[in-house]
Amino acid sequence: NAGVTQTPKFQVLKTGQSMTLQCAQDMNHEYMSWYRQDPGMGLRLIHYSVGAGITDQGEVPNGYNVSRSTTEDFPLRLLSAAPSQTSVYFCASRLRESYEQYFGPGTRLTVT
Amino acid sequence: AQRVTQPEKLLSVFKGAPVELKCNYSYSGSPELFWYVQYSRQRLQLLLRHISRESIKGFTADLNKGETSFHLKKPFAQEEDSAMYYCALANSGGSNYKLTFGKGTLLTVNP
Repeated sequence: NAGVTQTPKFQVLKTGQSMTLQCAQDMNHEYMSWYRQDPGMGLRLIHYSVGAGITDQGEVPNGYNVSRSTTEDFPLRLLSAAPSQTSVYFCASRLRESYEQYFGPGTRLTVT
Repeated sequence: AQRVTQPEKLLSVFKGAPVELKCNYSYSGSPELFWYVQYSRQRLQLLLRHISRESIKGFTADLNKGETSFHLKKPFAQEEDSAMYYCALANSGGSNYKLTFGKGTLLTVNP
């Protein structure tokens, strides 16, 4: 049971490049979320999903896309990276009936 | 709108001293409150949930609805308590809740 996994751990992008941050969980959790963590800003919700095929926007969705084709995977896409997207990104999941979120190890992204 | 305020970005105490990490919230409904912790080079993990009213690693937190607070306390801090602590609030909208996090408090326990 690997829990929540994220790849890559580190990534450097140039402005305008696109990439996908991967997130997977093997706990059969219905709910999955993406957060960004910035100094002095705490954790802010980007997008979330309540089940396969269902996604919704969080607090800071601009510049990011998500999809949920399977229960296990919830990739986060940056279509045209900007320096303001330099951050640490965390994926999290939970069961529908539980309040406890399980977090991945994070992806540190730098956009130059 | 729901909001979580952690007034201290940094908190430094000596080993053995009491520690209190402050958390205030703003929410019109009945809140569910949590403390998450992130130790160095580790992922975030749930520390406490107010409804369970338990003590984890010596930490306790009491929900005070009158003061809209959920402060985290420990009577005798240990060096291994050094970490980033986040207070979080879930709206009571059933299973479709969203977690709102505070900005976090970095606790350093000095030897």
